[in-house]
Amino acid sequence: DAGVTQSPTHLIKTRGQQVTLRCSPKSGHDTVSWYQQALGQGPQFIFQYYEEEERQRGNFPDRFSGHQFPNYSSELNVNALLLGDSALYLCASSLSAIPQEKLFFGSGTQLSVL
Amino acid sequence: QKEVEQDPGPLSVPEGAIVSLNCTYSNSAFQYFMWYRQYSRKGPELLMYTYSSGNKEDGRFTAQVDKSSKYISLFIRDSQPSDSATYLCAGGGSNYKLTFGKGTLLTVNP
Repeated sequence: DAGVTQSPTHLIKTRGQQVTLRCSPKSGHDTVSWYQQALGQGPQFIFQYYEEEERQRGNFPDRFSGHQFPNYSSELNVNALLLGDSALYLCASSLSAIPQEKLFFGSGTQLSVL
Repeated sequence: QKEVEQDPGPLSVPEGAIVSLNCTYSNSAFQYFMWYRQYSRKGPELLMYTYSSGNKEDGRFTAQVDKSSKYISLFIRDSQPSDSATYLCAGGGSNYKLTFGKGTLLTVNP
């Protein structure tokens, strides 16, 4: 049973560029959440997608956007990259839209902005 | 005040010790709580899930939640070097997001 898969594993970009990160949820899961984890910090919620719609959003600027596809996979897009966007980006999936459902995380994409 | 406070450590213990990891939270809307283990530069791995107050045991791990004092604990018995990792506590309510602490770095020495 495949868990949550993310690609790419590592990415290096320069300031001002745009980046797209991809996530495939755990088999049977239909909800995808994205988190940003800066070095030495806990993950911070970016947003959650369910039924191809953004259900909930954290305190992140509009430069951060996402998409969910009919097969439940998801993309995270970040425009006009800043140095401070350097972090581990984590995708998590869960079953159904119940808030109390357990979240299962992928291994993340390490983004470095130079 | 952060919603979830967690002592970042680092915490170093000998193999076989009982480890106690703790968090406090301020959001009364939190209904469920999770502990994750994260190895260096990897994604968090779900260890324990607790809904509301009470204890939950799974093998060498015990999670406790005291909603009256807004206190969350994770106990690891007979700790092993393979338990060396960062442990993250998290709380969630009805708004579909988990709020994490900063994590506690644990080292178990052989």
